[in-house]
Amino acid sequence: GAGVSQTPSNKVTEKGKYVELRCDPISGHTALYWYRQSLGQGPEFLIYFQGTGAADDSGLPNDRFFAVRPEGSVSTLKIQRTERGDSAVYLCASSLRSGSTPGELFFGEGSRLTVL
Amino acid sequence: DQQVKQNSPSLSVQEGRISILNCDYTNSMFDYFLWYKKYPAEGPTFLISISSIKDKNEDGRFTVFLNKSAKHLSLHIVPSQPGDSAVYFCASWNNNNDMRFGAGTRLTVKP
Repeated sequence: GAGVSQTPSNKVTEKGKYVELRCDPISGHTALYWYRQSLGQGPEFLIYFQGTGAADDSGLPNDRFFAVRPEGSVSTLKIQRTERGDSAVYLCASSLRSGSTPGELFFGEGSRLTVL
Repeated sequence: DQQVKQNSPSLSVQEGRISILNCDYTNSMFDYFLWYKKYPAEGPTFLISISSIKDKNEDGRFTVFLNKSAKHLSLHIVPSQPGDSAVYFCASWNNNNDMRFGAGTRLTVKP
C-alpha cells in the first residue's frame, strides 16, 4: 500500500532480549518520526529523522534505545536489554518537509511490544 | 512535563448533537495546534489544525477554536455521527518539528 508500514505488528519478547522494529515510510517523505504510546497515554516523542540523520533524539529514554535510517527511507528502532516498562505501542510517522500542512504526520498502525 | 493536557478521558454524546473536546497547553511558543483521530488498531490520522495566529478554523463538520489568552483550544463536531466515535488527540507543533500530544479523549457517539 501507499501508507506507512510497520513490522512486526506484534512482538512478544522476554525481559533482557534485543528487539528491532521496522518502519517503511511513505515514498518521498523526508521526515520520519518514532513515538511510543503507553496504555491511556498520548504518543510520546522518541526521535525524529530528516533524511539519514537524527535531527532530534531527545525523546529516547536511555541508551538502550537506538534508531537508524541509513538510506533516508526505512528506519529501524532498536531496543537492547528490554525491560517490562518498554511494553507499549511504537508508532512510526512520516511527512514531507515542505509543501504540507505543518504538523501533519502520517502514522503507521504501530508495533505492539510486550516484554514478559 | 506535560505541555498539552486533555483533562476529559471520555465523552459521550447523542447522534446529531454537538461534540466539544477540550485541550489546554502551557507553552506559548507553539506555532500550530492539531487534532488527530485514532480508531482501534490504527495509527492516528490528522483531522484539522490551526495556526497560533488565528482563533478559528473550520472544515466541514469540524471547527477548532483557539483562545490564546486562556491557552485553550477546543474541537467542535456538529452534527456528531456514530462514525466519529474514536480517540481524539490534541497536539502542539513548532517549526523545530517538535510535536507534543495530549493523553486523548475517547468520544462515543450514540445512535
